[in-house]
Order: sequence, then structure tokens, then C-alpha cells
Amino acid sequence: AQKITQTQPGMFVQEKEAVTLDCTYDTSDPSYGLFWYKQPSSGEMIFLIYQGSYDQQNATEGRYSLNFQKARKSANLVISASQLGDSAMYFCAMRAPFDMRFGAGTRLTVKP
Amino acid sequence: KAGVTQTPRYLIKTRGQQVTLSCSPISGHRSVSWYQQTPGQGLQFLFEYFSETQRNKGNFPGRFSGRQFSNSRSEMNVSTLELGDSALYLCASSFGQATDTQYFGPGTRLTVL
Repeated sequence: AQKITQTQPGMFVQEKEAVTLDCTYDTSDPSYGLFWYKQPSSGEMIFLIYQGSYDQQNATEGRYSLNFQKARKSANLVISASQLGDSAMYFCAMRAPFDMRFGAGTRLTVKP
Repeated sequence: KAGVTQTPRYLIKTRGQQVTLSCSPISGHRSVSWYQQTPGQGLQFLFEYFSETQRNKGNFPGRFSGRQFSNSRSEMNVSTLELGDSALYLCASSFGQATDTQYFGPGTRLTVL
């Protein structure tokens, strides 16, 4: 069965510093996608970044990058130069064919 | 390009009533998925519709049902509401390929009294 694990319930980071949010996954499907979403207090899930299982290079989107280590089954999100507006819940998700699973989330707080 | 829209944004119902939530996907998207989010259970998958057919279903009782129309808009219905149905209901749309990105709407916050 597919499984996503986020082991950090909460993280703190100083403004302008980088932070890494951890995510490990488990699946027997060779084809899958890995995603990170941000959920501010308003509730909307905002798509941040995607990594396909066959992608050779790590995905990047602006200040977000995904550190994909396939052998270790990890897909950590790196946020560079944190901003106060980055304070939110962050969810890692995996989509194997027609099966989407979410981790429990990490609450990130950016300190001024 | 307009994003995913959900109506209503907030709902208050009493136990035993039924409720219908609506979701309009991004133009061109044919898949709509529904999720329930609660503090205790996190994000749980309800079901997915693609081209008016339910393609996948989570582990929820039959009180939860849905449908999709020919324009890809989707509705979710919960009958005989229980206190435990209080949650944020999120819908997400995608083109419908096996592992493509889902884009979420703002959610409907349902409170059952």
C-alpha cells in the first residue's frame, strides 16, 4: 500500500534562512508523482512543486526545490530565503496511478 | 485562467440533514477528486470522477456520494449528517492522467450541530 510520512509536526525558521521539510514515501508502483502543497490558515491547498518518479533532475520552482532521493524514497522540500508569508502547513503527497495520499503535514513558522 | 471554485464556502447544518457541495474544475480538466480534512484524521480521499464516471473511491460510508456532469462540474452529497462530518471539504481538479498534478479549490467548511 502507498504511504507518505512526514515526521516533523512543527518547524521554526528565521526569516531569510533556508529550511528543509522532510518527506518519505513507500510504494510498489514504478510510476508515481510526488507533490508538495502549502495550506495557509485560509484553508486552500496551494500547489508548490512536482517531481515525477522517472525525472532525473530535482525539481525547482522559484524558492522551492525538491530533494528527490529515489533509492531512499525521500522527497524533501527545501525553501530558500524564508519569508514571513511562508508560515503555513505543508503537505507532501504521492500520486500513484489514480491513488493520491497525503502526509500528516508540517507546520512551518517563520520568525522575523 | 480561473482556478477551481467551490460553493458554498461555509455551511452550518444540523444532525440528520443532508448537504450538497459543488465544485467547478479548471477549464479543460476532466477529473475531479474530493477530500475531507479534519484535525484528527488529516486529509482523506473521498472519491474521484472522470468523464462523469466514478473512477476511484475512498473508505467512506455510503452516506457520501457524488456525481459529475458533462461540463466536468461535480457535486458531493452527504446524507443523514453526523457531528463527525464537520470538516473542510476540498475538491481538486486535474487533466486526469494517472499521476498528474491536482489543483485544489478553496474548500467548503461544513459545521454539523
